Amino acid sequence: QKEVEQNSGPLSVPEGAIASLNCTYSDRVSQSFFWYRQYSGKSPELIMSIYSNGDKEDGRFTAQLNKASQYVSLLIRDSQPSDSATYLCAVPYSGGYNKLIFGAGTRLAVHP
Amino acid sequence: EAQVTQNPRYLITVTGKKLTVTCSQNMNHEYMSWYRQDPGLGLRQIYYSMNVEVTDKGDVPEGYKVSRKEKRNFPLILESPSPNQTSLYFCASKSGETQYFGPGTRLLVL
Repeated sequence: QKEVEQNSGPLSVPEGAIASLNCTYSDRVSQSFFWYRQYSGKSPELIMSIYSNGDKEDGRFTAQLNKASQYVSLLIRDSQPSDSATYLCAVPYSGGYNKLIFGAGTRLAVHP
Repeated sequence: EAQVTQNPRYLITVTGKKLTVTCSQNMNHEYMSWYRQDPGLGLRQIYYSMNVEVTDKGDVPEGYKVSRKEKRNFPLILESPSPNQTSLYFCASKSGETQYFGPGTRLLVL
């Protein structure tokens, strides 16, 4: 059974701090990784994707991938209260895009 | 506006009463999918469709049916709903690597 695991949180950080969200996965052949953000009562939206080992930056967001350790993380710099949401890690099943396996999500709370 | 729509948004029903949740997208995407979201379990894929008349099981297909007769529509059918199908359901369509989710349908089966 392919699995994607995340700490459910809540992760509480002060405004302006760096929030670090982590995800581990069990499928060694996975080649792509996605982070979705889901506000309370809303649908998920894609915020980051990463395919290669290392870091990928997009504005205040940085995704980090370590395939050897089967670990992907999302860093949010200068966290804002508007970043308060649940962050879902997703990994395609067996390397393809047809079936996505989602983690249960980490709830982030940014307090002023 | 490019979007995925679902109807109904909220539904309360009783065990065994067949129901259909509709999903429609106006982005001409070939790929569509259904998920259910439960506390502590995250999003789990029910069925997906690569194109018209092409559907395949996701991780939790038991108790569900789908059809894809037109590219824009992908209804989810519960022939005999049971209380364990009480959940939040999302339809999604995909272009490239990005999945676009509908607003969700909250289903309660009594």
